[in-house]
Amino acid sequence: NAGVTQTPKFQVLKTGQSMTLQCAQDMNHEYMSWYRQDPGMGLRLIHYSVGAGITDQGEVPNGYNVSRSTTEDFPLRLLSAAPSQTSVYFCASSSATGRKLFFGSGTQLSVL
Amino acid sequence: GQQLNQSPQSMFIQEGEDVSMNCTSSSIFNTWLWYKQDPGEGPVLLIALYKAGELTSNGRLTAQFGITRKDSFLNISASIPSDVGIYFCAGPNGGSQGNLIFGKGTKLSVKP
Repeated sequence: NAGVTQTPKFQVLKTGQSMTLQCAQDMNHEYMSWYRQDPGMGLRLIHYSVGAGITDQGEVPNGYNVSRSTTEDFPLRLLSAAPSQTSVYFCASSSATGRKLFFGSGTQLSVL
Repeated sequence: GQQLNQSPQSMFIQEGEDVSMNCTSSSIFNTWLWYKQDPGEGPVLLIALYKAGELTSNGRLTAQFGITRKDSFLNISASIPSDVGIYFCAGPNGGSQGNLIFGKGTKLSVKP
């Protein structure tokens, strides 16, 4: 049982480049979300989705896009990377009725 | 907006010692969650609390939902080297059942 799978594990980008962080879950969870983790800041919610075709903004959505075409996948897109987006990104999922988030192992992103 | 204040920020303890950490909220919560993050990994749920005054254990870990509903506590008894990591408290953040707000974490180091 894989749980929540994130790819890539590490990524280096140049300012202005675009990329997509992939996230997939095999637990048939309705809810999925993306967090970023910065030193001394804890985890902050970027975007979330309560089901296929439904997405909404979290606490720090600027510079990021998401879509949810299937229950399993929830990619995070950076359209024009900026150094301020250097961070560790975590995808998480939970069932529709619970607050118990299951996290992926993260993507460490550096923007030069 | 909501804030979670977690303390202490870091702890350096000897193996075998007990550990206590706490989390306070600026608003009332109906759920408290405690997560642990190992280096290079995503957070993993340790304990979930759903009722004021609730005391729940998971092995050597015990967490309590404060009576005021604005605080929670986590205790680790007889610490061992594998307890090393960052411990986060979390609570509901509105918008969706799965949205959480996280404290900034308590980094635990254990000396053998």
